[in-house]
Amino acid sequence: QVQLVQSGPEVKKPGASVKVSCKASGYTFTIYDIHWVRQAPGQGLEWIGWINTYTGNTNYARKFQGRVTMTTDTSTSTAYMDLRSLRSDDTAVFYCARLTVTEAFDVWGQGTVVAVSS
Amino acid sequence: QSALTQPASVSGSPGQSIAISCTGTSSNVGGYNYVSWYQQYPGKVPKLLIYEVSSRPSGISNRFSGSKSGNTAALTISGLQAEDEADYYCTSYTNFTILFGGGTKLTVL
Repeated sequence: QVQLVQSGPEVKKPGASVKVSCKASGYTFTIYDIHWVRQAPGQGLEWIGWINTYTGNTNYARKFQGRVTMTTDTSTSTAYMDLRSLRSDDTAVFYCARLTVTEAFDVWGQGTVVAVSS
Repeated sequence: QSALTQPASVSGSPGQSIAISCTGTSSNVGGYNYVSWYQQYPGKVPKLLIYEVSSRPSGISNRFSGSKSGNTAALTISGLQAEDEADYYCTSYTNFTILFGGGTKLTVL
């Protein structure tokens, strides 16, 4: 079945970097863009950016530009999100999601908890 | 501050109908028919309920419906059930980005 499986929880210190992976299965990876969304504790969903899995082109939310890098490894159908210079307010659940041609997220990863604490 | 504005909370009794609004601008909600709605239970992954303003994915109950007028979209839930108590988020496409609403907590009384 179609699914996105993310890497496990991370605990990082302020100033560090984290790289979250998102492995796709059950469909042709390069047909759909992968987006990343985060949710801080008790807060709403926040869009981080996306990567075109075919071309590798990216677009990031202004808030994260300069601090985030999204990449893919098409040989393993895996997308990655690298977030640098972590702060305590980056503590959140990070989701990857597949975007359809109708600009909707129809498949989501299970989420990766990233905790930033000294 | 969220780009799309949703009420923080709505409530209704079982069997009633409620509507959740999602207000943007002519650059997002009003400019594209790419409004989606998601349901999220606490600690769970969001689930797609509505795409392209009013279309339902396979398996989604017809109690959920979507609409749009100008720069405001709406999700209507009819025949409220206890299991509908959750958080609801709207999104809109704009200029190679996706905007989220701030989310609405639905309480079934």
